[in-house]
Amino acid sequence: QLQLQESGPGPVKPSETLSLTCTVSGGFTSSTNYYWGWIRQPPGKGLEWIGSINYSGTTYYNPSLKSRVTISVDTSKNQFSLKLSAVTAADTAMYYCASLDILATAHGMEVWGQGTTVTVSS
Amino acid sequence: QSALTQPASVSGPPGQSITISCTGTSSDVGSYNYVSWYQQHPGKAPKLMIYDVSNRPSGVSDRFSGSKSGNTASLTISGLQAEDEADYYCSSYRISTTVVIFGGGTKLTVL
Repeated sequence: QLQLQESGPGPVKPSETLSLTCTVSGGFTSSTNYYWGWIRQPPGKGLEWIGSINYSGTTYYNPSLKSRVTISVDTSKNQFSLKLSAVTAADTAMYYCASLDILATAHGMEVWGQGTTVTVSS
Repeated sequence: QSALTQPASVSGPPGQSITISCTGTSSDVGSYNYVSWYQQHPGKAPKLMIYDVSNRPSGVSDRFSGSKSGNTASLTISGLQAEDEADYYCSSYRISTTVVIFGGGTKLTVL
């Protein structure tokens, strides 16, 4: 059974780069039927899609974040990662990684990590 | 402002049915059958309840159903139970830019 687990350094200072990793177990980031994504949720607010990547490294980004976001996949470590540069307090949120299996739930993200809280503060 | 419009809240007594709407445009909800619905309990990760408008993942109760008409998708929960009390989010794809968009979320209260 596919499981995802986010990890990251915790607090981030304004203007720095936020870096998170999602470790995949029970499946492979090299699988051709999966897309791997990042979603965030500011405290008390709704979900915001950040971007996605597939096994070959093709990426899709939220236009509102595109200039600051990089998503990458490391198939050797079975992980995918998020980097968000020049962070501000507005980037404070719970960050989730999630997977989409086009053969199972087509365009729905069925497996989610538990989320990791990122606070941007000096 | 969210790309997809949902009511902020809905409520209903146990046993009854409720419907949550999700209104987009002809560039997203109206274009393809790529609408999903997620349930989120406080402090938990979202859970996929419906994908591609009306399909349920394995293990999701058949009390949950989805539909779409034009630019508006709907999630119906029948036989409301206390455990259904949660936030619900719709999502779709905006095909022109290949991005995922979410609704603002609807808080369901079971009276």
